[in-house]
Amino acid sequence: QQQVKQSPQSLIVQKGGISIINCAYENTAFDYFPWYQQFPGKGPALLIAIRPDVSEKKEGRFTISFNKSAKQFSLHIMDSQPGDSATYFCAAKDNYGQNFVFGPGTRLSVLP
Amino acid sequence: DSGVTQTPKHLITATGQRVTLRCSPRSGDLSVYWYQQSLDQGLQFLIQYYNGEERAKGNILERFSAQQFPDLHSELNLSSLELGDSALYFCASSVGASGSNEQFFGPGTRLTVL
Repeated sequence: QQQVKQSPQSLIVQKGGISIINCAYENTAFDYFPWYQQFPGKGPALLIAIRPDVSEKKEGRFTISFNKSAKQFSLHIMDSQPGDSATYFCAAKDNYGQNFVFGPGTRLSVLP
Repeated sequence: DSGVTQTPKHLITATGQRVTLRCSPRSGDLSVYWYQQSLDQGLQFLIQYYNGEERAKGNILERFSAQQFPDLHSELNLSSLELGDSALYFCASSVGASGSNEQFFGPGTRLTVL
């Protein structure tokens, strides 16, 4: 129940295309859903985050869509650029234990 | 540069040994988080300290312990090391106690256990 599932494992997109990464969870005690971007040799960096009382959040080219009833959330990267090539992790925070659970990651490659 | 510093950058040691990883948070941040990243387990939250006190606990083994000092730097102690402890260990910091505050990650310490 503490798992966060993430798909796809890897994604190849052409420059200018839309990248979509999906995550699903079971624990209804999760109350905060961040997405992290990680470049090789670097630590993760917060990209965008959402709370379950909001169905969508947009920041620049990055949008989180959240479906509370389906317990699913997704990251959309519009107009994908080669500089977006990185590994993306979805995560969820437990409201009770303040514990963080991460998805296994998606390696995105944006072709020039 | 996130402003979070971690030392050492690399650490190579043998099974059964004990090591200490150090983290200095961003100026003004009171919370420190520790994470482990490995190929088979992915990214795992270990523990959070806020202003010197343990705030949240994740998948931290009993062989591992952490503390946050009055100057807010933190140390993660790993003992009786096993091959499976080889991983990247990240520290992150944030302003407040809530895990919903933006966390800034350090560059990590790569631990290799031989």
